[in-house]
Amino acid sequence: AQTVTQSQPEMSVQEAETVTLSCTYDTSENNYYLFWYKQPPSRQMILVIRQEAYKQQNATENRFSVNFQKAAKSFSLKISDSQLGDTAMYFCAFPPAQGGSEKLVFGKGTKLTVNP
Amino acid sequence: DAGITQSPRHKVTETGTPVTLRCHQTENHRYMYWYRQDPGHGLRLIHYSYGVKDTDKGEVSDGYSVSRSKTEDFLLTLESATSSQTSVYFCAIRKSTGPTYEQYFGPGTRLTVT
Repeated sequence: AQTVTQSQPEMSVQEAETVTLSCTYDTSENNYYLFWYKQPPSRQMILVIRQEAYKQQNATENRFSVNFQKAAKSFSLKISDSQLGDTAMYFCAFPPAQGGSEKLVFGKGTKLTVNP
Repeated sequence: DAGITQSPRHKVTETGTPVTLRCHQTENHRYMYWYRQDPGHGLRLIHYSYGVKDTDKGEVSDGYSVSRSKTEDFLLTLESATSSQTSVYFCAIRKSTGPTYEQYFGPGTRLTVT
């Protein structure tokens, strides 16, 4: 089965510091996409960043970046200069199979708290 | 903003009653999805649709049915609600343009079955 594992149920970080959230996955595909979603207390799911597996360069979106290690099937999210507004649940997701339904499988999430 | 709305946003219902949740999109995207979110489980796929009248089951489809008679609307029905279906329900779409598999979500519906 194609799975996504987030091993850190909860994390906390001080404002302005850097934090890294872990995600590992299992797939037999060679080309695929990976995503991180953020869910703040408002409950809205927000796409934070995407990584294309065939690209060696790690994706970056402002203060958010990924450390993608394809051989290790690892896809961690780094948040730099953490802000209070980064407090949220973070979910890693990827499509278990190419083509067809284009479904996503989600990890169970990491609850991040940014402390002042 | 993918133009996705969900109704109702909150609902309390009694065990055994039928419930229908509606997802509406304004951009005519082909793929639509229903997820449920429960503590400790992340998001789990209930059903999805890949076109009008084309639907299929996800990993937690028991007790749920769906219908899609128009591109813009995807309905989720609990035929006889149970307490185990108390959850937050999210609708999502995959945009027809842009990176494959990228999904955008509606605001969610909190359903409580008493």
